[in-house]
Amino acid sequence: DGGITQSPKYLFRKEGQNVTLSCEQNLNHDAMYWYRQDPGQGLRLIYYSQIVNDFQKGDIAEGYSVSREKKESFPLTVTSAQKNPTAFYLCASSIVRDTEAFFGQGTRLTVV
Amino acid sequence: AQSVTQLGSHVSVSEGALVLLRCNYSSSVPPYLFWYVQYPNQGLQLLLKYTSAATLVKGINGFEAEFKKSETSFHLTKPSAHMSDAAEYFCAVLYNQGGKLIFGQGTELSVKP
Repeated sequence: DGGITQSPKYLFRKEGQNVTLSCEQNLNHDAMYWYRQDPGQGLRLIYYSQIVNDFQKGDIAEGYSVSREKKESFPLTVTSAQKNPTAFYLCASSIVRDTEAFFGQGTRLTVV
Repeated sequence: AQSVTQLGSHVSVSEGALVLLRCNYSSSVPPYLFWYVQYPNQGLQLLLKYTSAATLVKGINGFEAEFKKSETSFHLTKPSAHMSDAAEYFCAVLYNQGGKLIFGQGTELSVKP
């Protein structure tokens, strides 16, 4: 079945450590997105990519990094510079010339 | 700045009552508009989308939304609420093809028996 797979579903990190969240899609979509979700704040865009080897900062990119070496993969690294990383992270993808975005099931990151 | 506003962070209705969730966007240029639903600890599922083909859009699970350019609104409705409709609902806007998808703050819908 086609879709977006995020892993792991739950992730625990110690303060000061970097951690990478995985996002893979087999929908042949050009565009991929990372959002952060906090209670009462909706979804905030961290990074997005419209094509392989290119990506743009979203509204809250500080403390995060991404890569887009393959069309189907868009991993997100939460670095130690991110002051409040505990949140629910959602990955999405869409066809660039279309409009509908498909979402993964999310990764809940907790800093311990 | 481009934005989406959802009026009411929490809405509570009785089972069988009308559901109305409000969404306004900030541009005079008609964008692409979406409503998504999210159940606890899950991703977002598309309910419906407006892409200028028709102002009244029908989606899944009996939901529909009407695009009103004069009011820059895209409110979501359902004639009769079910318990299974309890979830968080997000309105989203895409201002150009391939651009950023911008979300509202979300509205949590509770359905009372």
